[in-house]
Amino acid sequence: GAVVSQHPSRVICKSGTSVKIECRSLDFQATTMFWYRQFPKQSLMLMATSNEGSKATYEQGVEKDKFLINHASLTLSTLTVTSAHPEDSSFYICSVISGTSGHEQFFGPGTRLTVL
Amino acid sequence: AQRVTQPEKLLSVFKGAPVELKCNYSYSGSPELFWYVQYSRQRLQLLLRHISRESIKGFTADLNKGETSFHLKKPFAQEEDSAMYYCALSPRGGADGLTFGKGTHLIIQP
Repeated sequence: GAVVSQHPSRVICKSGTSVKIECRSLDFQATTMFWYRQFPKQSLMLMATSNEGSKATYEQGVEKDKFLINHASLTLSTLTVTSAHPEDSSFYICSVISGTSGHEQFFGPGTRLTVL
Repeated sequence: AQRVTQPEKLLSVFKGAPVELKCNYSYSGSPELFWYVQYSRQRLQLLLRHISRESIKGFTADLNKGETSFHLKKPFAQEEDSAMYYCALSPRGGADGLTFGKGTHLIIQP
């Protein structure tokens, strides 16, 4: 299966600052990556689909100007939370699709964001 | 819009007892259904998907289109099965982002 890493694993920032989270596919080239968020004791919610070389597709209710996604290479997608507020505190998880595994999604370990 | 419902937040059974984690879905087309598992301090990983019709770690799940259900079953629970289990749906065979249920925390008591 695919190996997916995220960096950082946890970040604490002040309200109003921006935070960048990286998602890397370590052992294969991923044209499509997904970003999810998970609030405490709740399920994962799909935020957006990140496509290499093109604009991300956002789910309804997700602000594209708030959550900037860049998928500049086949192994890296970044999520930038702009002007973060305490309500953005969450667990952000990325996944990649492996076409060779019948479109199985492989998940990163997640990034815990805490906005003070 | 699609929806996945897992009615049980927590399920506790004794080792050796049968386990059934319920999952119901709503979607107008023919989706693909998955079960993902998250062991303590580990990342989410695929347990099984309905199209493969496999048995993984003794778990099976049958898609019942009439009842729109995809319940996960295991005849004899083991302590290492303790984990969070998420049922998920994809409209296009996994090529889309997944819609997850809220998850069921399964605890296997010794």
